[in-house]
Amino acid sequence: KNQVEQSPQSLIILEGKNCTLQCNYTVSPFSNLRWYKQDTGRGPVSLTIMTFSENTKSNGRYTATLDADTKQSSLHITASQLSDSASYICVVSAEGGATNKLIFGTGTLLAVQP
Amino acid sequence: DGGITQSPKYLFRKEGQNVTLSCEQNLNHDAMYWYRQDPGQGLRLIYYSQIVNDFQKGDIAEGYSVSREKKESFPLTVTSAQKNPTAFYLCASKPDGRTEAFFGQGTRLTVV
Repeated sequence: KNQVEQSPQSLIILEGKNCTLQCNYTVSPFSNLRWYKQDTGRGPVSLTIMTFSENTKSNGRYTATLDADTKQSSLHITASQLSDSASYICVVSAEGGATNKLIFGTGTLLAVQP
Repeated sequence: DGGITQSPKYLFRKEGQNVTLSCEQNLNHDAMYWYRQDPGQGLRLIYYSQIVNDFQKGDIAEGYSVSREKKESFPLTVTSAQKNPTAFYLCASKPDGRTEAFFGQGTRLTVV
């Protein structure tokens, strides 16, 4: 069964600190993996996309990694800001690209405190 | 500005009533989708449409209906047959050949 699991479920950190969110997946055949940021009461917005051949990709203070062998991805946030408080969702796309094959994780709720 | 617009932002429904959630996009995307989001669960696909006048059931279509009469519009009706409709509903669209879904701002539906 195609599944995406994220950990931790929630996380509280102090402003300026770093944090790492985890995503494990069992999706086959794998096409790509995206991290989305969802602010409270808003729609998700894509942060990064990782394909099979990519190990690391950065988008500002966000750095995503992918280990296709172990089927794990991480999202590292550097020097956190209050505006980073949101839910971070890992989404894996099965081969073919049709959105009916997008598998969503349950998200990690991040709270950045001053 | 190009984007995907959902309305209303908040919606209250009495038990036994049908309600319709609006979703409009001006991104010229062929594919549009409706998801439901509940606390502690990932997004679940309700319906999707790859082209005008055609749509397919997703994983949790029971109690919902859609139409796709125009490329820009994909309204979702929550019928009285949906026993637990209180949730956050997200509409998305996707361009051909890409896997990134663009989401609207969501509609929070509450049954009172």
